This record gives sequence, structure tokens and C-alpha cells, in this order.
Amino acid sequence: QKEVEQNSGPLSVPEGAIASLNCTYSDRGSQSFFWYRQYSGKSPELIMFIYSNGDKEDGRFTAQLNKASQYVSLLIRDSQPSDSATYLCAVTSDSNYQLIWGAGTKLIIKP
Amino acid sequence: NAGVMQNPRHLVRRRGQEARLRCSPMKGHSHVYWYRQLPEEGLKFMVYLQKENIIDESGMPKERFSAEFPKEGPSILRIQQVVRGDSAAYFCASSPFASGEYAGELFFGEGSRLTVL
Repeated sequence: QKEVEQNSGPLSVPEGAIASLNCTYSDRGSQSFFWYRQYSGKSPELIMFIYSNGDKEDGRFTAQLNKASQYVSLLIRDSQPSDSATYLCAVTSDSNYQLIWGAGTKLIIKP
Repeated sequence: NAGVMQNPRHLVRRRGQEARLRCSPMKGHSHVYWYRQLPEEGLKFMVYLQKENIIDESGMPKERFSAEFPKEGPSILRIQQVVRGDSAAYFCASSPFASGEYAGELFFGEGSRLTVL
């Protein structure tokens, strides 16, 4: 069974520090990797996606992908209290339209 | 450009009643996904639809649940004879892409929160 694993947290990070969120996946055939942010009581919103090995930066966010290790991470620099949310990792299945979702990591940024 | 619209936002039903949840995708999006989320849990895929077609309903319970996406009008997720275990947030998401590397870029509605008494 294809799986996406995330540490449920909560992960507590002081304001201004770097928050590092990790995700592993079981399906070597996965091609596309997504990070969604979900505030409590709200719907998920896409914040980053990555398709190739290496790093992809967008503002304070950096996604890192290592297909050999089946590992994808999200770094948030200069963490702000507004970054406090649950971060969901999602990976495409071999059908290429269905996403396999992790259970999410709850991130708390402490002022 | 309006986002994905879901209604009702909150729905309360007694056991045995029917729940009908509606979703209008973003303009130009013809691919609709329904997900269920229990408190403090991740998203569970239920069904993927295109206009007038159910593409994948592998995540939907065989009994009591059905979904449609007619040629005209919103997509509808229907739950018959609801039970307490159906209480959850139901999210609809849409995409302009059928498959491929961009198919995971989903736009979510605000969700419909079903409470079964």
C-alpha cells in the first residue's frame, strides 16, 4: 500500500528560526510532490510543489526533494506566528491524478 | 474569479436522514475531487469526477454514498441514512488538469461540516 509518512508533531519553533518539516513516501514511481498548509478549521491551500531532485525556493519557503531516499522536506525561514498551521505533504500516485496524503505535521511558532 | 464554492458550510442531520453537499468548481476547472477529514486526521480521498463521469470512486464507501457532476450545475455528494460516524468535514477540490505532474495542484473549497446527532 502506497504511503506518505509525516511526524504528527506538534513541532514547536521559536519565532525567527527555521522550521523544518519532513515527509517520506513509499512509492518510488511518484513524480510530483506538494506541500499544503491548513489552518485550524480551514481548508488546505497549496504553498509549494517540486518535481525534480534538489531545492526549490519561493520566498521564505524552500522545498527539498531526494528521490533516491524517497524524502521531501519543507523549510520555512524566519518563521512567523502566522506560519502556525498543519502542513500536509502529498505525493502523486502512479495513476498520476490521485494524490496520496500524509496525515500532516502541526507546526507551532512561538513568539 | 470566484474560488471553489461549497455549501452548506455547516449541516446538522439526525441519524437516518440524508445529507446533500454541493460543490461548484473554479471557472474553467472540469475535474472535481471530494475528500473527507476527521478531526486531527489527514485527508481521505473519496471520489474523482469529471463532467458527467465518475473517474475513480475507490475511496467512497459502497453503501449510502454517491456522487455526481452533471453537465450543468454543481457536483453533489450525497449521503443517505447518515450515521454518527459520517460526522466530518467534507472538502471539495478542483483542478483544470486531468493528470500529469500538475494534477496535484488542487484548489479547495472551504468545506462542509456535517454533524450527525
